[in-house]
Amino acid sequence: GQNIDQPTEMTATEGAIVQINCTYQTSGFNGLFWYQQHAGEAPTFLSYNVLDGLEEKGRFSSFLSRSKGYSYLLLKELQMKDSASYLCAVRGFDNYGQNFVFGPGTRLSVLP
Amino acid sequence: DTEVTQTPKHLVMGMTNKKSLKCEQHMGHRAMYWYKQKAKKPPELMFVYSYEKLSINESVPSRFSPECPNSSLLNLHLHALQPEDSALYLCASSQEVGVGANVLTFGAGSRLTVL
Repeated sequence: GQNIDQPTEMTATEGAIVQINCTYQTSGFNGLFWYQQHAGEAPTFLSYNVLDGLEEKGRFSSFLSRSKGYSYLLLKELQMKDSASYLCAVRGFDNYGQNFVFGPGTRLSVLP
Repeated sequence: DTEVTQTPKHLVMGMTNKKSLKCEQHMGHRAMYWYKQKAKKPPELMFVYSYEKLSINESVPSRFSPECPNSSLLNLHLHALQPEDSALYLCASSQEVGVGANVLTFGAGSRLTVL
């Protein structure tokens, strides 16, 4: 099975930097993904890590440590539009074949 | 515009109705998925269809039945649903299943309300 954990809520100020952590335990690992989801909308892809280290994409960076079962998403120069839920998802293996499981999500509120 | 199209966007149905949610992807992807998402909860995988094989989350009740007419369509048939089935239903597709950076691309979702 798979167990993924994230903080439920976070608050940060416009222009600041925020780090959202994700820890996971999976039966097999085939990549970790971060998605952004605004309320009532579909998730949109932000980043992907399969090897240890940091992936940078503009204001967003994602880090992975496979040995620790740990990832984080770093958001820089926060903007009001970054207020959303951030979902960590792990691709692994389970009883019915390949699986893509989401963590509980972190609701980020960006304040002026 | 999303490359995964879901219809209808909103559906209200009674517990005795039979309805369908439709999903079409235009990217030549080989895998398609249905997820269910309740408010303030993450999406939960219901079905995966890839390489003409359907994988089912065993916790999904039989009142939900997927149908894959061809590789670009994955429909979800609904029958005798319960009010607790009210949720956002998300369809997604990926180029492959479990290989490399196969990003899931989501449709806009179908908001289902069961009365």
